[in-house]
Amino acid sequence: KNQVEQSPQSLIILEGKNCTLQCNYTVSPFSNLRWYKQDTGRGPVSLTIMTFSENTKSNGRYTATLDADTKQSSLHITASQLSDSASYICVVDLYNNNDMRFGAGTRLTVKP
Amino acid sequence: DVKVTQSSRYLVKRTGEKVFLECVQDMDHENMFWYRQDPGLGLRLIYFSYDVKMKEKGDIPEGYSVSREKKERFSLILESASTNQTSMYLCASSFVTGVVGYTFGSGTRLTVV
Repeated sequence: KNQVEQSPQSLIILEGKNCTLQCNYTVSPFSNLRWYKQDTGRGPVSLTIMTFSENTKSNGRYTATLDADTKQSSLHITASQLSDSASYICVVDLYNNNDMRFGAGTRLTVKP
Repeated sequence: DVKVTQSSRYLVKRTGEKVFLECVQDMDHENMFWYRQDPGLGLRLIYFSYDVKMKEKGDIPEGYSVSREKKERFSLILESASTNQTSMYLCASSFVTGVVGYTFGSGTRLTVV
């Protein structure tokens, strides 16, 4: 069973709208939680990195939140643009271990 | 900017062929990783390396081997390619694991026919 679950699997929204992607994890303890953006046919690119003690981290129109009690993270995208169409992957770094656990990703499509 | 370069974007190989996937990074990172990415499964770690000539098995090493003769280069080898190894392969590198973000290459889409 994957230790990082993302929802929804796919999402279609209109340009200019906001959306929120979810990540639930069972990895414990962990050191960091990251969100990556992966354009089609490209490698993942880091959007945000949060340590286990942080609650929120922003990168432009992207805002990630973390609730370590409920083991949930979300990525909120504001005023979506066509270029936001991509897969968004949640990644959890295992604490004191050179290992990461990846979610399967959410495929976001932004339509004009 | 850190660059992780994978030598091929697309590869088509025949069953039973020996396949080499090359990855080069230009930031003097000690750590390098090979992942495969399949729909619905996320990225899965095949092998990783923390130093020259050092390698460790990841979660799915079967059917693969690796070579790290130089710090900047990490090669993934499919000794005898099979159709179930058709996948997207991603290389990544980092300076300090778990602290600084990983940098990924653009990926190699391998099709084994």
